[in-house]
Amino acid sequence: DQQVKQNSPSLSVQEGRISILNCDYTNSMFDYFLWYKKYPAEGPTFLISISSIKDKNEDGRFTVFLNKSAKHLSLHIVPSQPGDSAVYFCAVSNTGNQFYFGTGTSLTVIP
Amino acid sequence: DSGVTQTPKHLITATGQRVTLRCSPRSGDLSVYWYQQSLDQGLQFLIQYYNGEERAKGNILERFSAQQFPDLHSELNLSSLELGDSALYFCASSSPDRGAEAFFGQGTRLTVV
Repeated sequence: DQQVKQNSPSLSVQEGRISILNCDYTNSMFDYFLWYKKYPAEGPTFLISISSIKDKNEDGRFTVFLNKSAKHLSLHIVPSQPGDSAVYFCAVSNTGNQFYFGTGTSLTVIP
Repeated sequence: DSGVTQTPKHLITATGQRVTLRCSPRSGDLSVYWYQQSLDQGLQFLIQYYNGEERAKGNILERFSAQQFPDLHSELNLSSLELGDSALYFCASSSPDRGAEAFFGQGTRLTVV
């Protein structure tokens, strides 16, 4: 059973434009939502998170939006930079326990 | 540096063999998670330990087992290896009282030939 779905395996964006990565989850019991970035041959690195009591969290160029009624999570990167090219995983958690990850979206930022 | 250490980085072994992957969590983290990533696919949750006890189980095969020791390091044992077990195996650690994020090691790349 797939708890988290990222329906877009890949995304290409021009440098300077906005990148929007989407994620859907199935179970409303999750209360913490996270995004991780992964480069080839490296472990995922934590990027940004949001708790279920909020609908938006911003950190520099990265903003995460949460729509609890739709069970939908998105990550906005603006402006996109070539160094942002990586695979992005969304994850859901029960207050820091039992992290479930999506299948990832490969972002390519074109210079 | 996430503070999570995995050894070995690479492992090549034959079908039918058994291997042990090791993970040292961030200092003070009580939870350890194991994930499998095959062929650029998603991170499949295998198992979670919390302070030495199994807390949650995911899609872990019966041929696989894990444990967490009193010093909180963890080992993932893979036996009767098959070609399809070739994958990246990641360990992550967290402690809810230190933030809700999990931090990952660099992974062990297992190749079964």
